[in-house]
Amino acid sequence: GQQLNQSPQSMFIQEGEDVSMNCTSSSIFNTWLWYKQEPGEGPVLLIALYKAGELTSNGRLTAQFGITRKDSFLNISASIPSDVGIYFCAGHLNTGNQFYFGTGTSLTVIP
Amino acid sequence: DAGVTQSPTHLIKTRGQQVTLRCSPISGHKSVSWYQQVLGQGPQFIFQYYEKEERGRGNFPDRFSARQFPNYSSELNVNALLLGDSALYLCASSSRAGWPQHFGDGTRLSIL
Repeated sequence: GQQLNQSPQSMFIQEGEDVSMNCTSSSIFNTWLWYKQEPGEGPVLLIALYKAGELTSNGRLTAQFGITRKDSFLNISASIPSDVGIYFCAGHLNTGNQFYFGTGTSLTVIP
Repeated sequence: DAGVTQSPTHLIKTRGQQVTLRCSPISGHKSVSWYQQVLGQGPQFIFQYYEKEERGRGNFPDRFSARQFPNYSSELNVNALLLGDSALYLCASSSRAGWPQHFGDGTRLSIL
């Protein structure tokens, strides 16, 4: 199956710092999604991207659909303690009906 | 409106038993997908159903089966449980197949 690689695997940052993470694949995707998952809960959809180069914001979060269509990026500005969690990317191919999920980036924010 | 609801929240079974997990999608959503999430990993796709028909199947053995009902709710069945089936089972719904999915909080299945 498709493998999506996320980096970094984990991040420990000070409150107020900006965060950048990315997701790469060997395949071309037509949709990229970003989710956040907290302990004991299911993933929560943050941002959806539908075309190459697209830049979309949701509050302090900004995500971009890479122009090669094989990658996507998520930035969080001015991090706060409630940003703690695991961030997953997910991609959808033109063929088939499944979303492939990345390996996750664990974010810890130190007050 | 209620989000995706799953039941039960936790379940403990022994090897060889069978289990049925249930999912109710967001009102108006006709597509339901099932995922298995092992600790420390991302969700792995098991099945997708749209308009009560199977539209996708991941790389899981035939012990895994699912169905979707006329009201768009869904069940995931797993037979002959193995220790390796211990995981968080997530259900996600979307308006249509291939559209962004919204997840429930999952069923935590433990196999003893």
